[in-house]
Amino acid sequence: EVQLVESGGGLVQPGGSLRLSCAASGFTFSSYWMSWVRQAPGKGLEWVANIIQDGSEKYYVDSVKGRFTISRDNAKNSLSLQMNSLRVEDTAVYYCARDSPSVRGHIDYWGQGTLVTVSS
Amino acid sequence: DIQMTQSPSSVSASVGDRVTITCRASQGISSWLAWYQQKPGKAPKLLIYTASNLQSGVPSRFSGSGSGTDFTLTISSLQPEDFATYYCQQANSLPLTFGGGTKVEIK
Repeated sequence: EVQLVESGGGLVQPGGSLRLSCAASGFTFSSYWMSWVRQAPGKGLEWVANIIQDGSEKYYVDSVKGRFTISRDNAKNSLSLQMNSLRVEDTAVYYCARDSPSVRGHIDYWGQGTLVTVSS
Repeated sequence: DIQMTQSPSSVSASVGDRVTITCRASQGISSWLAWYQQKPGKAPKLLIYTASNLQSGVPSRFSGSGSGTDFTLTISSLQPEDFATYYCQQANSLPLTFGGGTKVEIK
């Protein structure tokens, strides 16, 4: 069974940093693109970043470029999101997600999400 | 970036009703479109991929159609478990972008 379990969320002040982690199991992690998607409270979904299987390619939405870094450790079946210079508007539930292996740009499994609150 | 516009933003319907949700892309995306269902407090779930293909395990009352810029998600006979918010998402180019969502509520 595919499982994606996020951790690392919490309350942080504006300008602060936080590192999210995602533990993957039930599939061959190293064979899949992986993504982070966020959802502000009461709002819609926003794709944040994704990373290729070997970590050599990474893509970001403009609003987080230069502040967030996506990375992976295939030996540990782990995905991470380092978030620096956090802003109030980064407040959201952050989902770890697996990209479909057969259909580009589609997300076929999602974690349960971890809440990040940026507030003073 | 490709903008995705969903309508309506909410719809009230009864069990057994046929419900149609539309999604429009700001530029042509061929059939690179996904539909997701999200229930309160839960992660989204993939329903339809490449505009019209049913994800494994999804009931056949869900169907998708369209190509280019205009797409439709149809629920042929609404069931109690279908009350949720539905999102379209373009998969044609990065950044991946989602529609604003359509909340299907009980009438």
